[in-house]
Amino acid sequence: DTGVSQDPRHKITKRGQNVTFRCDPISEHNRLYWYRQTLGQGPEFLTYFQNEAQLEKSRLLSDRFSAERPKGSFSTLEIQRTEQGDSAMYLCASSFAGGRGSSGNTIYFGEGSWLTVV
Amino acid sequence: AQSVTQLDSHVSVSEGTPVLLRCNYSSSYSPSLFWYVQHPNKGLQLLLKYTSAATLVKGINGFEAEFKKSETSFHLTKPSAHMSDAAVYFCVVSGDMRFGAGTRLTVKP
Repeated sequence: DTGVSQDPRHKITKRGQNVTFRCDPISEHNRLYWYRQTLGQGPEFLTYFQNEAQLEKSRLLSDRFSAERPKGSFSTLEIQRTEQGDSAMYLCASSFAGGRGSSGNTIYFGEGSWLTVV
Repeated sequence: AQSVTQLDSHVSVSEGTPVLLRCNYSSSYSPSLFWYVQHPNKGLQLLLKYTSAATLVKGINGFEAEFKKSETSFHLTKPSAHMSDAAVYFCVVSGDMRFGAGTRLTVKP
């Protein structure tokens, strides 16, 4: 059973560097979500894709954040010019949405990518 | 607009006693609601979900939740807490899957 996988699991970077995280969703899932989670807080929604279309991106934290899903399969989340405040766990999730009741489809989460900006 | 409010940031119970984690929601339409659990250094795991079928939903590990539209609530319960239940629990509303702030459950021996 291949669930949602994220890479790398841990990343330490210097302030000002760019970082990229990769997410491979469950293979038959057409929706892919990115969240950010800081210590003691719940996951904060960033953006999501249906297939290759990015349907919501207004909640990306700043223009330094961007996400792609070029072929409707894996996705990348890039943070440019990292700042110490970007230190957090970045979670990817996927689901299958289609037909009636799609709002109730279960979202499955990866184990997250921890980012530390020093 | 949709939102959830988890009424307690921390709940502490003794092993073998009941668990109640409270969640209220706000939605402009009939929502789907979920409870997820996050153990330390682990990913988020779905406990249960409500999708407009039965209002009493049974999940894994003996947890259940009841959807009450009149109270806009979706509280999570378990009759008897186990040490392994210690974790952070999140209530989530459908749409863009907005999370509550989480409730940390501590189970005392």
